Amino acid sequence: DTEVTQTPKHLVMGMTNKKSLKCEQHMGHRAMYWYKQKAKKPPELMFVYSYEKLSINESVPSRFSPECPNSSLLNLHLHALQPEDSALYLCASSQETGGGEQYFGPGTRLTVT
Amino acid sequence: GEDVEQSLFLSVREGDSSVINCTYTDSSSTYLYWYKQEPGAGLQLLTYIFSNMDMKQDQRLTVLLNKKDKHLSLRIADTQTGDSAIYFCADFNQAGTALIFGKGTTLSVSS
Repeated sequence: DTEVTQTPKHLVMGMTNKKSLKCEQHMGHRAMYWYKQKAKKPPELMFVYSYEKLSINESVPSRFSPECPNSSLLNLHLHALQPEDSALYLCASSQETGGGEQYFGPGTRLTVT
Repeated sequence: GEDVEQSLFLSVREGDSSVINCTYTDSSSTYLYWYKQEPGAGLQLLTYIFSNMDMKQDQRLTVLLNKKDKHLSLRIADTQTGDSAIYFCADFNQAGTALIFGKGTTLSVSS
């Protein structure tokens, strides 16, 4: 099983709302990632967690707050977003950082109004 | 910095072979990847190749790697309409911490 699941599939939120995106994998992977993908563009890395610790933050604004409650779960908390934050948010996981197979979830399509 | 380049569009007829090309700049790359993305979906890992290999074949997919020229290609044999999608070439950054994607090649298959 190489499945990464993400909820919700779609999310519409206002600029004053607080919401969370969730990601789950049961492959025993110890590295988990958040990517942002704008239309017709490649994914861009936001955060990397390795063994439940944040190892990389690609200068992401603080209105995005990641959390890794355990080795299977990854959350992305959203607060006071801007319309330009509307995008597809992709979660991914791999056995470790540094190479090997990296599997992506189906993404959450976020629209900020 | 590291960079991955791909042609943006490819159009083929059903039953033909498709070849999608990619060049990369990081000579220390150990893994190179091909991902497929259908409209509105996430990325599907199609295949990947270790840098010590020249070729990898998996059913209709053939990956060729030319390390000297830093060139990677994906050949899809007997292309079907279901193969229509965006194909991303990806490489790991020098720190080995994250994937760097090319801009993606949109493959259009006509019947």
